[in-house]
Amino acid sequence: GQQVMQIPQYQHVQEGEDFTTYCNSSTTLSNIQWYKQRPGGHPVFLIQLVKSGEVKKQKRLTFQFGEAKKNSSLHITATQTTDVGTYFCAGPKGYQKVTFGIGTKLQVIP
Amino acid sequence: ETGVTQTPRHLVMGMTNKKSLKCEQHLGHNAMYWYKQSAKKPLELMFVYNFKEQTENNSVPSRFSPECPNSSHLFLHLHTLQPEDSALYLCASSQDNRYEQYFGPGTRLTVT
Repeated sequence: GQQVMQIPQYQHVQEGEDFTTYCNSSTTLSNIQWYKQRPGGHPVFLIQLVKSGEVKKQKRLTFQFGEAKKNSSLHITATQTTDVGTYFCAGPKGYQKVTFGIGTKLQVIP
Repeated sequence: ETGVTQTPRHLVMGMTNKKSLKCEQHLGHNAMYWYKQSAKKPLELMFVYNFKEQTENNSVPSRFSPECPNSSHLFLHLHTLQPEDSALYLCASSQDNRYEQYFGPGTRLTVT
């Protein structure tokens, strides 16, 4: 079945450093979605990418969808303590339901 | 965010109890989901409803019984649970099963 792999599972960074998490699918995805879950909270939808090679930015966050629509990345520039949380990618294959990755847990050391 | 609400927020129940979790979405979505989230485990999809019809049951034990009376409401009926069922139970909704999902705050369940 469809699998969405995410690496790394955990990342500790010093405040101000950059951070990147990667998402890889075994199959071509119709779109890729990114979510953030703060500690003690619930996943919150951040953004969706649809087109091959698409890049979108949200302030310090840059999201990229691979040319083959099988991988994606989320890059955070100059992390802040407010970036702490778990970042999930998720994507559907064709008309199938969305499958979530395991998530990357980000810790930011002040 | 109040698009998806869940009640109760916290629940402690014994293994012989019967309880129900409730989810309501105010977004006009057609798909609703139940997820289980345990510590150090990924989000586990339990059930999917699309236009009130169950389209997915991910080998969930029968002690969990979902109910979707209409496209805005979703229930998870619980009976004779085990301590390992203690987790955060999240409800989500989406326009359809390929679109972004909006999660409720979850119910923190503890089975004693």
